[in-house]
Amino acid sequence: EAQVTQNPRYLITVTGKKLTVTCSQNMNHEYMSWYRQDPGLGLRQIYYSMNVEVTDKGDVPEGYKVSRKEKRNFPLILESPSPNQTSLYFCASSYSGNQPQHFGDGTRLSIL
Amino acid sequence: QKEVEQNSGPLSVPEGAIASLNCTYSDRGSQSFFWYRQYSGKSPELIMSIYSNGDKEDGRFTAQLNKASQYVSLLIRDSQPSDSATYLCAVIPNAGNNRKLIWGLGTSLAVNP
Repeated sequence: EAQVTQNPRYLITVTGKKLTVTCSQNMNHEYMSWYRQDPGLGLRQIYYSMNVEVTDKGDVPEGYKVSRKEKRNFPLILESPSPNQTSLYFCASSYSGNQPQHFGDGTRLSIL
Repeated sequence: QKEVEQNSGPLSVPEGAIASLNCTYSDRGSQSFFWYRQYSGKSPELIMSIYSNGDKEDGRFTAQLNKASQYVSLLIRDSQPSDSATYLCAVIPNAGNNRKLIWGLGTSLAVNP
């Protein structure tokens, strides 16, 4: 079954404590991306990756890091989380192009 | 002016009716258009893409694109309560780099039994 798997699904943590949200896809997709979704602001792209070792900023990259060491994995790293990063996060992938075809189930992140 | 605009709704239709969801965009050179469905508490799922003027049908869904008027619509025939969701319109503008999607905020659809 085609899947994008992200973990954890829910996380409550405190300001400044580094965290990583993992994302893995089993479809051999070239493109992977991270979005955050906030009420009234909609979906906003954080980072995307066109292939292994190739990443680029989206619309709201500040405060986030990513890496793409393997084709299937695209973790999102918050080095020093702050309350304004409290949000619903989605990982997504697509075979070609920066238009997501498959989304993960989402990670609801709360930074206190 | 927002780049991709949708009426937030809620759009309420009776079961069996046609639901019509509309989206306008500001970049006249936009080439690619997408509709996603998002159930409450779930992730978006891609349901339609359209690239040329006219209609594209897939089951009960029809996407309509009018580049001259800069709008794209999604029609859902024989609406079912299971169609109740938020529908997101997304556009790849001609301007800008890396063909990133510009997202609308979505229209909430409620199909009443």
